[in-house]
Amino acid sequence: AQKITQTQPGMFVQEKEAVTLDCTYDTSDPSYGLFWYKQPSSGEMIFLIYQGSYDQQNATEGRYSLNFQKARKSANLVISASQLGDSAMYFCAMRGPYGQNFVFGPGTRLSVLP
Amino acid sequence: ETGVTQTPRHLVMGMTNKKSLKCEQHLGHNAMYWYKQSAKKPLELMFVYSLEERVENNSVPSRFSPECPNSSHLFLHLHTLQPEDSALYLCASSQDSRQGGNIQYFGAGTRLSVL
Repeated sequence: AQKITQTQPGMFVQEKEAVTLDCTYDTSDPSYGLFWYKQPSSGEMIFLIYQGSYDQQNATEGRYSLNFQKARKSANLVISASQLGDSAMYFCAMRGPYGQNFVFGPGTRLSVLP
Repeated sequence: ETGVTQTPRHLVMGMTNKKSLKCEQHLGHNAMYWYKQSAKKPLELMFVYSLEERVENNSVPSRFSPECPNSSHLFLHLHTLQPEDSALYLCASSQDSRQGGNIQYFGAGTRLSVL
């Protein structure tokens, strides 16, 4: 069975600083997809970034980058130059090779301080 | 117009009521999903529809009844719910439910309170 662990229930970061949100996963499938979503207080789950297990390079999307370490089974999200609007819950998720077993982690609440 | 729209945004119902949640996607996707998000629990996948056919049902009680009349619309019919069913219900869509890399796009959710 697939499992996602996010060990940081809450994180604080100063505005304009970078922050890393941890995510480790467990799966027996050699092929899988890893995702990060942001959920503001409004409730909508916003897709941020995707990493395929066979992708050679770490994914980047604007201020978001994914630090993918396959041997360690970790997929940490790095947010550069934090903004006040980045304050939200952040969820790491993964899917199996055929789209099955979409599993979310418990989330990390990020608070950006002015 | 946003990609995935859910109505209503908030719903309060008694245990004997019957209500329905609606989800509509404008992204041209052919897979749709219902999730339940309870306080202090990870997001739980409830149902998956691909090409209007239910392909996954994760042991959800029968008081929740999904309906997918076409690839753009998804409903969740609710009846005789329990207080523990109070949660945020999220709808999502993706291009294909069977590919690992397909990104799911979510609506803003319906916050349900069962009294």
